[in-house]
Amino acid sequence: NAGVMQNPRHLVRRRGQEARLRCSPMKGHSHVYWYRQLPEEGLKFMVYLQKENIIDESGMPKERFSAEFPKEGPSILRIQQVVRGDSAAYFCASSPEQTGMGIQYFGAGTRLSVL
Amino acid sequence: SQKIEQNSEALNIQEGKTATLTCNYTNYSPAYLQWYRQDPGRGPVFLLLIRENEKEKRKERLKVTFDTTLKQSLFHITASQPADSATYLCALPASGGSYIPTFGRGTSLIVHP
Repeated sequence: NAGVMQNPRHLVRRRGQEARLRCSPMKGHSHVYWYRQLPEEGLKFMVYLQKENIIDESGMPKERFSAEFPKEGPSILRIQQVVRGDSAAYFCASSPEQTGMGIQYFGAGTRLSVL
Repeated sequence: SQKIEQNSEALNIQEGKTATLTCNYTNYSPAYLQWYRQDPGRGPVFLLLIRENEKEKRKERLKVTFDTTLKQSLFHITASQPADSATYLCALPASGGSYIPTFGRGTSLIVHP
């Protein structure tokens, strides 16, 4: 049973470019969460999605960031016009349903470096 | 929203000893509390969940306690091994009824052979 798959593992972008991060949840999981982690900081919640719906995006910056989880295919976190401050590790997690008391299964992350 | 405090200083212990990590929270009492392990360059891995009506939970060499009066959870690793070296994160629901956990910054554990 494959775990949460994230790609790419490492992504290098120049300022002003777009970054697209992909996440395939565990088989049977319909809830996806995105987090950002900076060195020496904790995981910061960004957005919570179910298939074709954004449930909670309270942690997502209002500009340049967007997320989707289409009916078919992986969840995508998109960062437009990246800036150096976007450099971080971005983790995706999935869970089977809300009654799982919030237990989350994480991918290995995408490390974004903005030059 | 919930505020979580974990000791930011690394905990260094000798192999075979018991490691004890602390997680304090400041606001409402959560329905549950979770502990995760994170290795460098990896995503967190779920270890244990303890509910508000449980005082203690065990899994192999791991033990978690939950004191809602003190607003504190303790995470113990007995007979620690160098392979236990990692960062340990505690997580609580972001708010009452929320299924989205808020994570602490984690405490780094280093077990010396």
